[in-house]
Amino acid sequence: GQQVMQIPQYQHVQEGEDFTTYCNSSTTLSNIQWYKQRPGGHPVFLIQLVKSGEVKKQKRLTFQFGEAKKNSSLHITATQTTDVGTYFCAGLYSGGGADGLTFGKGTHLIIQP
Amino acid sequence: NAGVTQTPKFQVLKTGQSMTLQCAQDMNHEYMSWYRQDPGMGLRLIHYSVGAGITDQGEVPNGYNVSRSTTEDFPLRLLSAAPSQTSVYFCASSYSGQGYNEQFFGPGTRLTVL
Repeated sequence: GQQVMQIPQYQHVQEGEDFTTYCNSSTTLSNIQWYKQRPGGHPVFLIQLVKSGEVKKQKRLTFQFGEAKKNSSLHITATQTTDVGTYFCAGLYSGGGADGLTFGKGTHLIIQP
Repeated sequence: NAGVTQTPKFQVLKTGQSMTLQCAQDMNHEYMSWYRQDPGMGLRLIHYSVGAGITDQGEVPNGYNVSRSTTEDFPLRLLSAAPSQTSVYFCASSYSGQGYNEQFFGPGTRLTVL
């Protein structure tokens, strides 16, 4: 089946440092969504990217969708302790299909004060 | 709005027992789905429904049954629990068509099968 590879699996940063997580697909995506899951919580939707080369910002978070619509990234500037959690990307393959969204395995962000 | 609700929050079963995980949403969403989350595996789709009376299998459907008699409810049944089904189960809903709209997740059910 289709796979979305997400790296790194874990990222330790000092508070105030930047953080980036990457998602890659071998085939073209129709769109990509990003979710955040706090420890012990449930995934919460952050954003959806649809257009080739799209860049969206939410305060300190910057989301990008590649020109070929096969990769995406989430960058957090100057991390804060509230950013702790796991960040998932979820891709929708062109034509949709029965499986719908395919989730990456997530990047765990650990922040050291 | 309560959003997506799930019961129970925690459950311990013995191998071979059956049970139903409940999921309800009050947002009038057509699309509902069940995921399981295991360490290092991300979220994997078990079953989904595009509307009342319509269900289909996802990536990991074996050992689970679903039905959708109303728009609001989408229960997940474990037929004969196995230790491999120890996991966190999330129900999700969206306005229409999985992947085309924001997914709203419930708080999850943490299931242990002994």
